Amino acid sequence: EPEVTQTPSHQVTQMGQEVILRCVPISNHLYFYWYRQILGQKVEFLVSFYNNEISEKSEIFDDQFSVERPDGSNFTLKIRSTKLEDSAMYFCASSRTGGSPLHFGNGTRLTVT
Amino acid sequence: GESVGLHLPTLSVQEGDNSIINCAYSNSASDYFIWYKQESGKGPQFIIDIRSNMDKRQGQRVTVLLNKTVKHLSLQIAATQPGDSAVYFCAERTSGSNYKLTFGKGTLLTVNP
Repeated sequence: EPEVTQTPSHQVTQMGQEVILRCVPISNHLYFYWYRQILGQKVEFLVSFYNNEISEKSEIFDDQFSVERPDGSNFTLKIRSTKLEDSAMYFCASSRTGGSPLHFGNGTRLTVT
Repeated sequence: GESVGLHLPTLSVQEGDNSIINCAYSNSASDYFIWYKQESGKGPQFIIDIRSNMDKRQGQRVTVLLNKTVKHLSLQIAATQPGDSAVYFCAERTSGSNYKLTFGKGTLLTVNP
């Protein structure tokens, strides 16, 4: 069964550094998403992406965050200057249509020190 | 405002019993609901979904019930197995937003052999 893959599984970075989290969505899916989960808290929506542009974003997704689909297979989340509170699990997801179920990857654990 | 919450943070059952996990939501504009299972170290895994024009949907060993009158959603797992042990999240999508899922806090299901 096709799946969403994310790399790396764990990223440690120093405060103020830039990080790029990478995702390969399911190949025939058209909608892409980033969610995050701070330890012990709910999974939170960050951003959705369709047709090479952001469809919707949350208040968490400020100017420090950006997304990109650099080629036909990858979908990335960049955090320009990481803060301690950015430490979380970041999940990439994709869906075939805007109304179909989201399929999630296994996440990247980001630790900001 | 939007909120999705779970009545029981933990549920412990014996192998072979049926499990019922509950979820309350407050946004009457929500029109689509999904149950996800999350095992340790993995991303949310789609279990079953239901649209607001239905009140029941069945899958393999799972049934989702939707009561729009009281804004309540439940997941029933038949003949629970040790492999069902995980955190279960309900998520809702608000009508008019194709992209953003709002997740509940999660219920930890433990299946005792």
